[in-house]
Amino acid sequence: DAGVTQSPTHLIKTRGQQVTLRCSPKSGHDTVSWYQQALGQGPQFIFQYYEEEERQRGNFPDRFSGHQFPNYSSELNVNALLLGDSALYLCASSFLTVTQETQYFGPGTRLLVL
Amino acid sequence: AQKITQTQPGMFVQEKEAVTLDCTYDTSDQSYGLFWYKQPSSGEMIFLIYQGSYDEQNATEGRYSLNFQKARKSANLVISASQLGDSAMYFCAMREGDSGGSNYKLTFGKGTLLTVNP
Repeated sequence: DAGVTQSPTHLIKTRGQQVTLRCSPKSGHDTVSWYQQALGQGPQFIFQYYEEEERQRGNFPDRFSGHQFPNYSSELNVNALLLGDSALYLCASSFLTVTQETQYFGPGTRLLVL
Repeated sequence: AQKITQTQPGMFVQEKEAVTLDCTYDTSDQSYGLFWYKQPSSGEMIFLIYQGSYDEQNATEGRYSLNFQKARKSANLVISASQLGDSAMYFCAMREGDSGGSNYKLTFGKGTLLTVNP
C-alpha cells in the first residue's frame, strides 16, 4: 500500500521565482492538505483540497495557490518567492470517516530560497 | 493564546524505560480530535495515535498510549519500553469541531525532541 509521495525532495530557488510542488495521496484517500514547517516549528496549515476545490485555507497570502486533479493528486504553487518561504512543505492525505479523519503525511519537500 | 502547548523542548530517556511527553490544548469546542505525530530527522510526519473528545477510554496503539484528561485539557503521550529508534521530534496536534464539519486543519504544537540513550 503506497503511502503519500511528494516531489521533488529538495529544491533551491531564488527570490522572486515561482515553484511547484507535487503530492500523490495515499491509496484510497481523496483529500489533500498542505502544510508549511519552518525550522524549529510545528507545521502550519496552508490549505486543503477536496473534489478539486479548495475547501479550507489557512493564514497564507494569495502567492500560495494549489490545485487538485481528478486522480486526487495535488500541486502547491508559490509565486514571487521570499526568503521566508524557505521551509519544509508537507503534504497530507486523508479520507473522511464517521469517527475521525486522520491525516497521513508524506516525506516533504525542502525548499530553500536564496 | 496557543491552541497546543508542548512545554518540554527536549526530553531524555534511557532505553527500555517509559517516558511521558506533555501536551495541553485550548478549545471552546465540545467536539475535537487530538493527534500525536513522530517526526524523525528525515522529515516525514508519522501518525502515532488519535483520541476523540468523546472517547471515554484512553487510546492505545502498541507501545503508545494517550493519557487524556479532558477537564485539565491535557493529552499526554506515554511511550513504554523506549527504543533507540524512538529518538525523534514528537508533535501534538488538534482538529477542532466535528469530523465532517467545516474545519479540517490540524493545529500543531512546537514539538518535543526526545532522545533515547542506550
